[in-house]
Amino acid sequence: GENVEQHPSTLSVQEGDSAVIKCTYSDSASNYFPWYKQELGKGPQLIIDIRSNVGEKKDQRIAVTLNKTAKHFSLHITETQPEDSAVYFCAAEQINKFYFGSGTKLNVKP
Amino acid sequence: DSGVTQTPKHLITATGQRVTLRCSPRSGDLSVYWYQQSLDQGLQFLIQYYNGEERAKGNILERFSAQQFPDLHSELNLSSLELGDSALYFCASSVRLATNEQFFGPGTRLTVL
Repeated sequence: GENVEQHPSTLSVQEGDSAVIKCTYSDSASNYFPWYKQELGKGPQLIIDIRSNVGEKKDQRIAVTLNKTAKHFSLHITETQPEDSAVYFCAAEQINKFYFGSGTKLNVKP
Repeated sequence: DSGVTQTPKHLITATGQRVTLRCSPRSGDLSVYWYQQSLDQGLQFLIQYYNGEERAKGNILERFSAQQFPDLHSELNLSSLELGDSALYFCASSVRLATNEQFFGPGTRLTVL
């Protein structure tokens, strides 16, 4: 099956700085890559996603890039704010099955 | 609020017991997914139903089973519980099959003593 690796496991940045989280996947059959934000005590919330026929997608301060050849995709958050502090998960989807990375705990220091 | 509801919020039970977790998807969503989130294994996809039919199976143990009813709510049944089954169980729903936005419920925290 698919294997998704996510780095780093923790990330601490100063408010206003950028944050980058990277994921790699193993199976070229995966074709949908969502990113989720999970706050304490809540379920994951989709923040951005990208499909395999697209290289980059941006939504305000959040962007995702996908390199199909290298099988990796990244989440970029610019102008970070304290409310961005949460755990972020990447995932890869393959025939209705979702495989998640191990998560990145982002701490934005005011 | 995602619109997905899960009951109960918390469940404490003993080893060997059986429990049922319930999920009501967002209005209009046909697809339901179940996930297990534990500290050591992260977020694991268990199973997916679409309009009452099983569509995809992940790392779901044989002791676990699920179904989706005609009104589209879903139940996850966990039997012969072990200590290692203690985890957060999430349900998510989406309008269509995969590659569409999934809305996660608040989860059920299961503690097996």
